[in-house]
Amino acid sequence: SQTIHQWPATLVQPVGSPLSLECTVEGTSNPNLYWYRQAAGRGLQLLFYSVGIGQISSEVPQNLSASRPQDRQFILSSKKLLLSDSGFYLCAWRKPGPRGRTDTQYFGPGTRLTVL
Amino acid sequence: TQLLEQSPQFLSIQEGENLTVYCNSSSVFSSLQWYRQEPGEGPVLLVTVVTGGEVKKLKRLTFQFGDARKDSSLHITAAQPGDTGLYLCAGGQTGANNLFFGTGTRLTVIP
Repeated sequence: SQTIHQWPATLVQPVGSPLSLECTVEGTSNPNLYWYRQAAGRGLQLLFYSVGIGQISSEVPQNLSASRPQDRQFILSSKKLLLSDSGFYLCAWRKPGPRGRTDTQYFGPGTRLTVL
Repeated sequence: TQLLEQSPQFLSIQEGENLTVYCNSSSVFSSLQWYRQEPGEGPVLLVTVVTGGEVKKLKRLTFQFGDARKDSSLHITAAQPGDTGLYLCAGGQTGANNLFFGTGTRLTVIP
């Protein structure tokens, strides 16, 4: 079975500090990977997605960047955090395939980031 | 542009009552997902529907995909406090690698 991990679970960082959040998937190969941000009690905002190693698509221009150094590893980074970067960050994966049931994404447990 | 609109946005009901949550769009989707999310956790998949008119049941939860694949509903029978959470619908589209998420419905079931 497939599992997805995120760490850290919680992070408190000062404004201007760097950021690195990691996401790894087990039990599948060549997944599509996604980073989302969720404001308190709200819907999901897609930040980045990747269809393969080194392939990153950015959905929203901002202070963040993403990288995929290995097939099942997805990293979200920032050089200098802003107050507005606070939120709940979710990583998700999906098995690539024809449209329909393979659209489904599976989420990790999330990282709560607070920028002070 | 918000492709998927969910209603109601908030819902507070007594234990044992029935409820329906709607997910509407003017766009056609190749699939429709429903997730439930509890505070501080990631969304958990409840169901995926792909065929227009498809109905799926998961214990007390009934999911329906509209005939034209533009909308969906989630019906909960005899709600329980454990059903409390944020319900999210999400649609997949041909040519898109990502899902389009609805605005969410926050359900509170009062014991």
